[in-house]
Amino acid sequence: AQSVTQLDSQVPVFEEAPVELRCNYSSSVSVYLFWYVQYPNQGLQLLLKYLSGSTLVESINGFEAEFNKSQTSFHLRKPSVHISDTAEYFCAVSSIRGSARQLTFGSGTQLTVLP
Amino acid sequence: DVKVTQSSRYLVKRTGEKVFLECVQDMDHENMFWYRQDPGLGLRLIYFSYDVKMKEKGDIPEGYSVSREKKERFSLILESASTNQTSMYLCASSLGTAPPLLYNEQFFGPGTRLTVL
Repeated sequence: AQSVTQLDSQVPVFEEAPVELRCNYSSSVSVYLFWYVQYPNQGLQLLLKYLSGSTLVESINGFEAEFNKSQTSFHLRKPSVHISDTAEYFCAVSSIRGSARQLTFGSGTQLTVLP
Repeated sequence: DVKVTQSSRYLVKRTGEKVFLECVQDMDHENMFWYRQDPGLGLRLIYFSYDVKMKEKGDIPEGYSVSREKKERFSLILESASTNQTSMYLCASSLGTAPPLLYNEQFFGPGTRLTVL
């Protein structure tokens, strides 16, 4: 069975500082990996995904994540955060279970950007 | 744009009541999902449906049932609500594929925060 571990439940960081949100997964087969973001009082939105090809994937708002197969990690980074990045971030891995491809989520990391 | 809507943003019910949570998507997606979100636990899959009248259990189906009579609508039912079902409930949908081996992005609704007193 797939599992996803997000090592930090809370990450406070000052505005314009860099940030890294850590994610490790367990899987014995090829994986698809995702980061979702949840802003206050909203549903989840896809931030970025790794399906195949380049191990470094980027989002439109400056986040990037690198797939590292040997370390089974998919850490999320941003070189300079903004107040508007305050949100909860979920790492997820996709697998086939039953009759559909499903997502297994980590427990989430609350990123709080301080002025 | 894909839109997934949920019937209520906030709901307060009493222990023992039968509760219906409704989810509607407007993009003709085959797959629909119900999750519950709890602090420190992330999202856990309750049930999913890959076609009309078809359903499969997720990781935590106990105490819940689902109904999918039309492609666009997926209902989560709490037959007899209990306080430990107080949670945020999220619905999602995605395209189905044949065979179901290709990834398709899941689109989420805004969530229903259910409180059972």
